[in-house]
This record gives sequence, C-alpha cells and structure tokens, in this order.
Amino acid sequence: GAGVSQSPSNKVTEKGKDVELRCDPISGHTALYWYRQRLGQGLEFLIYFQGNSAPDKSGLPSDRFSAERTGESVSTLTIQRTQQEDSAVYLCASSQGPREVYEQYFGPGTRLTVT
Amino acid sequence: QKEVEQNSGPLSVPEGAIASLNCTYSDRGSQSFFWYRQYSGKSPELIMFIYSNGDKEDGRFTAQLNKASQYVSLLIRDSQPSDSATYLCAVSGYSTLTFGKGTMLLVSP
Repeated sequence: GAGVSQSPSNKVTEKGKDVELRCDPISGHTALYWYRQRLGQGLEFLIYFQGNSAPDKSGLPSDRFSAERTGESVSTLTIQRTQQEDSAVYLCASSQGPREVYEQYFGPGTRLTVT
Repeated sequence: QKEVEQNSGPLSVPEGAIASLNCTYSDRGSQSFFWYRQYSGKSPELIMFIYSNGDKEDGRFTAQLNKASQYVSLLIRDSQPSDSATYLCAVSGYSTLTFGKGTMLLVSP
C-alpha cells in the first residue's frame, strides 16, 4: 500500500517568507507526527496528533511554527517569517495508533532551505 | 526529561562480523522499543520493535531488551556494507516517545 507522502520534496524560500509543508499519512493511521532534522543531527520532535485528542505541541520551537490536521487525514506544517536556522529536513510520520505502542512510518521528508 | 542515549560512533566492523548497537534509557516505565535505520539523505525506516524482555530475531537482526538494566540493543549478524547507516533507538513511555541521536555504523568490505 501507499506510504507516507510529503510535498514539496524540496523548498527554497527567502528569509521572512511563510512556507507550508504537507503530509499525507498512511490511510487508516490515527497518529501523525512532525519532526525536524538539521544536517548531521538527530530527530527533533515538533508536534503529535492522535485521533481527536488535543495535539502535543510541546516540541514546536517558536510561535512561528504551527500545524493543523483535519480528522485523520492530511496535515500541514506552517512556518511563518522563516529564518535561516529553520533550514532543515522536515519529516512526517504516521502510526496506526498511539505513539507509546505503535511503530511509526516516515515519509521522504521536505528539505527546506532558507536563503 | 526522558532520555535515550546512544553512542554516536562511528562503529566500524568488517564485512561478515557481528555489529552490536546499544541504547540506554532513563524512564523505567518505558513500554515499547523501536530500532530504525537511516541512510544518509534518507528518512528513517523501521527495522524492529520489541516489547518484552529477552531476544527477538528477524533475519540477520536481533533486538535484545533488558528492562531491569534499562538497555536495548540491536545485533546485526553477517554485517554487509549495505548495513552502513545510522541506527536510531526509540523508546516509549506513558504517552511519550523519545528518539536517541543515533549510532553510525560503518561496515568495511
């Protein structure tokens, strides 16, 4: 079956512009996650959606970052007024249930470059 | 603050050897343990998960869990150059999941 898909695969933007990144989870997966990975670094948790529960936003680095998810479908991560330190690969993952139990499947990522 | 620790490496092994990757965690309430492989420039992919103490084998991979000592390990038998990657350990607790920073494995032909 189809895996997690993300778009765009690459995004180059100028400092100060807003960007929207999209994630399509695996069909039927109730949980969705966003991570950031800077070059040569580990995964940095950003936000977690599980079903209709309030999302865990504890990893969002600033109020310039926000994410939405409609039901158990597509999610968008929005970064406002981008800064050069936002340059990274943004990874989306989904799982069939809560993170404490189920394994995650990752999308290919969106490489964001802020110039 | 729940912590998951991995040696960053690189861990270098010759082709055909056993590679042993280790991960320790701080939360005694952790329930589920996952190993992911990440090739350079790619996204992580799940290799194995383990929930119970002991060993779990899948092909050339064996995950070992010791909750009393709070460590989980991944053994790769008959290592191949194609196994060269960064291996991420992930540990879940109550409504949390924490990734380690990963161990880089280099398998030389």
